Amino acid sequence: DGGITQSPKYLFRKEGQNVTLSCEQNLNHDAMYWYRQDPGQGLRLIYYSQIVNDFQKGDIAEGYSVSREKKESFPLTVTSAQKNPTAFYLCASSIRLLEGTETQYFGPGTRLLVL
Amino acid sequence: AQTVTQSQPEMSVQEAETVTLSCTYDTSENNYYLFWYKQPPSRQMILVIRQEAYKQQNATENRFSVNFQKAAKSFSLKISDSQLGDTAMYFCAYTSYGKLTFGQGTILTVHP
Repeated sequence: DGGITQSPKYLFRKEGQNVTLSCEQNLNHDAMYWYRQDPGQGLRLIYYSQIVNDFQKGDIAEGYSVSREKKESFPLTVTSAQKNPTAFYLCASSIRLLEGTETQYFGPGTRLLVL
Repeated sequence: AQTVTQSQPEMSVQEAETVTLSCTYDTSENNYYLFWYKQPPSRQMILVIRQEAYKQQNATENRFSVNFQKAAKSFSLKISDSQLGDTAMYFCAYTSYGKLTFGQGTILTVHP
């Protein structure tokens, strides 16, 4: 089946620890995105990538890092510099960087909790 | 900067009735696209409907339709014949190039 997978479904982080959220797609999409969703709020863009080995900061990139070594994969690392990481994280992809006609497909999300 | 505003945090409707969710946006662009996404309790984001700004005709998808008022920068979603499965959070979103900007969301509850 084609789609986007995210793992794990739940992730617990200890204080001062870096954690990495996985996002994989088999849709052959060039563009991938990471969003953060807080309770009762809309999605905010963390990072996006329009092609392998290239990525751009979104609106709330501080405390996060990404890599794009393969077309299918766009992992997100939540670093210890992110002081309020508890949130729901959604990965998405589109066939190319959005110009409007493209549909953005979303993964099932990862819930990150701080211990 | 583009902003998207959904002024109704929560809405409720009886099964089989019609409900309209509001959305306004601010942009200086002339070419852009607007979307409504649905996020049910499973948290999976699902595209409901899309509207191209250059098209005057309002988009429709089965029971879902929009009222797009470009001059007023308004983009409302009408759900006809509401079903229990329509219960979800609904997000209005905007893009001109490169990324989606989302509104805060409206929680819609459909009552039997």
